[in-house]
Amino acid sequence: DAGVIQSPRHEVTEMGQEVTLRCKPISGHDYLFWYRQTMMRGLELLIYFNNNVPIDDSGMPEDRFSAKMPNASFSTLKIQPSEPRDSAVYFCASSLSSIGEQYFGPGTRLTVT
Amino acid sequence: GENVEQHPSTLSVQEGDSAVIKCTYSDSASNYFPWYKQELGKRPQLIIDIRSNVGEKKDQRIAVTLNKTAKHFSLHITETQPEDSAVYFCAASGTSYGKLTFGQGTILTVHP
Repeated sequence: DAGVIQSPRHEVTEMGQEVTLRCKPISGHDYLFWYRQTMMRGLELLIYFNNNVPIDDSGMPEDRFSAKMPNASFSTLKIQPSEPRDSAVYFCASSLSSIGEQYFGPGTRLTVT
Repeated sequence: GENVEQHPSTLSVQEGDSAVIKCTYSDSASNYFPWYKQELGKRPQLIIDIRSNVGEKKDQRIAVTLNKTAKHFSLHITETQPEDSAVYFCAASGTSYGKLTFGQGTILTVHP
């Protein structure tokens, strides 16, 4: 398996623009997680899905953020409108079960100017 | 929700020395405690984990200990090597099924 795939790897956008990050989990993994990593706040869980259903979105910072998982092999994280404080590395991870190793993707480095 | 505190934030050791990183958690219902290593510019990767029914687990040069009564767990790396230099994160599962709360991370530097 190729592991968790994320695209794009780098995104530079202007404030106010819509940003869409994409993730393909490892085949057969039932759990998918979206994390944000910054120097100030560390690694934060934004939302996670089980069998394509959002389970906990309490980490989503505000209504500008939304996430979907239309099928078992694809998820998106959307920011609309984007702001400079959204600049961070966004990781997607997947796992076979609720308790166990989470496999992280390479991350998307987002810069909002 | 769960709260995880990690110390120290930075740790510098000489090659061959041991390194210890400690974490405390707040939710007594937490039952899963993984440790992730993140090299510069790379993704976090699991290096070892422990479940609440076990007090200690070892894998070659790394070991993790868990004290449920005190709600703390530690990572021990022996015979450190320069390639151990990275950021290490602890995490705890809390009560939300599948959700991990991460500590703030420890930057470990191993000097040759």
